[in-house]
Amino acid sequence: GAGVSQSPRYKVAKRGRDVALRCDSISGHVTLYWYRQTLGQGSEVLTYSQSDAQRDKSGRPSGRFSAERPERSVSTLKIQRTEQGDSAVYLCASSLGLAENEQFFGPGTRLTVL
Amino acid sequence: AQTVTQSQPEMSVQEAETVTLSCTYDTSENNYYLFWYKQPPSRQMILVIRQEAYKQQNATENRFSVNFQKAAKSFSLKISDSQLGDTAMYFCAFMNPPGANSKLTFGKGITLSVRP
Repeated sequence: GAGVSQSPRYKVAKRGRDVALRCDSISGHVTLYWYRQTLGQGSEVLTYSQSDAQRDKSGRPSGRFSAERPERSVSTLKIQRTEQGDSAVYLCASSLGLAENEQFFGPGTRLTVL
Repeated sequence: AQTVTQSQPEMSVQEAETVTLSCTYDTSENNYYLFWYKQPPSRQMILVIRQEAYKQQNATENRFSVNFQKAAKSFSLKISDSQLGDTAMYFCAFMNPPGANSKLTFGKGITLSVRP
């Protein structure tokens, strides 16, 4: 079946603008994760949610990052008032549930903030 | 908080030879999971191999095997008979037991190049 997909693959935004990144997870997967990947710093989790509830915002002290689940298999990561330091690759991953340890990753969205 | 350290930023290996990628971690937990993920230039990360901390036997997946030293908190990946398709970034990752904040904590990654 289809894997995890993300759109857009590339996004350029002007500093101060809001952006929304989409993730379509594997059908039947319950838990969705968002990671931020930067060269030299690796990947850090931004948020994850189980089913419809956003569960955690650990990793980023700012409230500018939030994730929504408009549908069970869809998550939207919203970044408000983007900063140049937000430039990174944003990876989405999903798993069957919190009881499952394997996460399946999407190809990522490369965000560049000018 | 858990940390994962990959101290080698890049490595190179001749095709058909064996290479070992290092990873150390720090945790106060006794039960956890460790992973190696591969990320080819196309960027989609895929799982290479996983190890449950409560298992003493080292995990093996075809040409990939790990050397898990729990007391030393070391988790290295050995790739045997390296192939050109193994060229990628490799990330070591840690996870608490599923159901208890099961996010992945990654190392910074290592770039592996396989030379023809």
